[in-house]
Amino acid sequence: AQKVTQAQTEISVVEKEDVTLDCVYETRDTTYYLFWYKQPPSGELVFLIRRNSFDEQNEISGRYSWNFQKSTSSFNFTITASQVVDSAVYFCALGNTDKLIFGTGTRLQVFP
Amino acid sequence: DAMVIQNPRYQVTQFGKPVTLSCSQTLNHNVMYWYQQKSSQAPKLLFHYYDKDFNNEADTPDNFQSRRPNTSFCFLDIRSPGLGDAAMYLCATSRDLFRGLNYEQYFGPGTRLTVT
Repeated sequence: AQKVTQAQTEISVVEKEDVTLDCVYETRDTTYYLFWYKQPPSGELVFLIRRNSFDEQNEISGRYSWNFQKSTSSFNFTITASQVVDSAVYFCALGNTDKLIFGTGTRLQVFP
Repeated sequence: DAMVIQNPRYQVTQFGKPVTLSCSQTLNHNVMYWYQQKSSQAPKLLFHYYDKDFNNEADTPDNFQSRRPNTSFCFLDIRSPGLGDAAMYLCATSRDLFRGLNYEQYFGPGTRLTVT
């Protein structure tokens, strides 16, 4: 079975705090892709990152960083020094050839 | 600059009255997808086109149809909308499909459908 679990339904932080969004996935495939998308209140899903199963290197992009650990089937996302503009719903997804399997999303609220 | 365009952004239709949502893309991508997203839920894939090949998800109701007359445009037709079809409908594209290789999907802003 292919599944993505985002156990955190909603997280609230104050601006400048660091926050980590958890993502745990299940798959039997040896080759797969993992994604993070951001959905701001406007509704559009914004692509953030794609990572393939053979690349476990952590990635940093500005205030964003991702930690991929195959041993625990996790692909966590950290925002450093959060800002109000980071407020959104964040989806983790597992790529399965021709479709994305989304988690249920984590709503992040950053308060000034 | 817009790459995936959806019109209209908001659509109100009456119960049982057919409605068509449109999506266009300037990316020249081979694959176009339609998702349904209900409030506080993850997007749910309805179907996708790989070029002209239509691929329906097994649990997509017959009430939902799609057309892709050319590379750039794709339409979602809801033949007889029910109250349960009120949702955000998201169109997405990806460059191509290869077994074992997932390209990222680029999403449009969505059309929020209200059924009265």
